[in-house]
Amino acid sequence: AQSVTQLGSHVSVSEGALVLLRCNYSSSVPPYLFWYVQYPNQGLQLLLKYTTGATLVKGINGFEAEFKKSETSFHLTKPSAHMSDAAEYFCAVRGANAGGTSYGKLTFGQGTILTVHP
Amino acid sequence: ETGVTQTPRHLVMGMTNKKSLKCEQHLGHNAMYWYKQSAKKPLELMFVYNFKEQTENNSVPSRFSPECPNSSHLFLHLHTLQPEDSALYLCASSQDLQINEKLFFGSGTQLSVL
Repeated sequence: AQSVTQLGSHVSVSEGALVLLRCNYSSSVPPYLFWYVQYPNQGLQLLLKYTTGATLVKGINGFEAEFKKSETSFHLTKPSAHMSDAAEYFCAVRGANAGGTSYGKLTFGQGTILTVHP
Repeated sequence: ETGVTQTPRHLVMGMTNKKSLKCEQHLGHNAMYWYKQSAKKPLELMFVYNFKEQTENNSVPSRFSPECPNSSHLFLHLHTLQPEDSALYLCASSQDLQINEKLFFGSGTQLSVL
């Protein structure tokens, strides 16, 4: 069984400030972790994903996330916020078997709405 | 433009109506999904199809009936819905069901049940 908790349903930052969106997960098997972004009136788009290997993952639009197994976390960061980053962000987890190929249901967090002030 | 198109974008229906949501993907993917997005709740997976065969029904009430005539098209038939079914319904596709596969989402159908 898997679950995802996103701390903070709303995060507000000033343009140019650091963005930090928190995600903690639980999984009984090695997790594959994803961040998706949803802009207004659009579907979700993949920002980045962690599968295996390097724990610091870089995605599109300057975002990155670090997988920390000891903390069961996968927080999303961006050094400098831009107005165009305003959107809702979803963390998601999928369980993997030893071969890393089995399908597991993609479980989403509740989402965090990011607001960027001028 | 993600390559996944959903119609209609908005739908208002009464509880006794029958309507259908349509999803079409132009990506050559083999797997398609229906998700429900309600306010202040996580996205809920409803159905999964792989090569036109349903592989998952996440305990969805029978008033929601999916149909996948081919790998490019997915429908969600709606009948005698309840007001609590009002939500954004998202369709997604992926190349297959591999664990690391990226999902491509449509823009959704915003459904209001009166």
